[in-house]
Amino acid sequence: DQQVKQNSPSLSVQEGRISILNCDYTNSMFDYFLWYKKYPAEGPTFLISISSIKDKNEDGRFTVFLNKSAKHLSLHIVPSQPGDSAVYFCAAWDSGTYKYIFGTGTRLKVLA
Amino acid sequence: DAGVIQSPRHEVTEMGQEVTLRCKPISGHNSLFWYRQTMMRGLELLIYFNNNVPIDDSGMPEDRFSAKMPNASFSTLKIQPSEPRDSAVYFCASSLSTGGTDTQYFGPGTRLTVL
Repeated sequence: DQQVKQNSPSLSVQEGRISILNCDYTNSMFDYFLWYKKYPAEGPTFLISISSIKDKNEDGRFTVFLNKSAKHLSLHIVPSQPGDSAVYFCAAWDSGTYKYIFGTGTRLKVLA
Repeated sequence: DAGVIQSPRHEVTEMGQEVTLRCKPISGHNSLFWYRQTMMRGLELLIYFNNNVPIDDSGMPEDRFSAKMPNASFSTLKIQPSEPRDSAVYFCASSLSTGGTDTQYFGPGTRLTVL
């Protein structure tokens, strides 16, 4: 059973608009979350993280929001650029097993 | 630094054959991870090592899969015998440690196709 879920396999957004990628998790013990970005034929690269003691973390055009009560996090990209077109994975740190649990990914396409 | 290096980048083999995937982690990193990416399950952790010692192999799907890390700069993931359902992209990643806040750096992956 997937403990980290990205229910939208794909998303298309116009250049300059906001992209919102969502991620849900089931284990309330997860205490650190990451987003990774993956281009075709490359490995995932770290994008942004958030600790469970925060509800928001911002880095340039990228902001991650965490809603612990809903067990939900989201990645906002503003403004979206064609170079942001990639697959985005969210991951949750399971401090009980010392492992990251990854979601299935969301493919973002930013249209010029 | 060259980053995490994986070889081969692509592997096509026939069912029943042995497959060996290779990984060179970033120098100075003490932890190494093997992941498998599929459409249905996303990125799954297969096994990870800390200081060359396997720590958790609970993600290894079957006894057909084995991994070794003979030294700090080299690891292998072996599938013997391979089956069509093993077709996936396999990633190796390394990090300074197994701590949750340590960023994992991924290699470019090996795309495995088992016919």
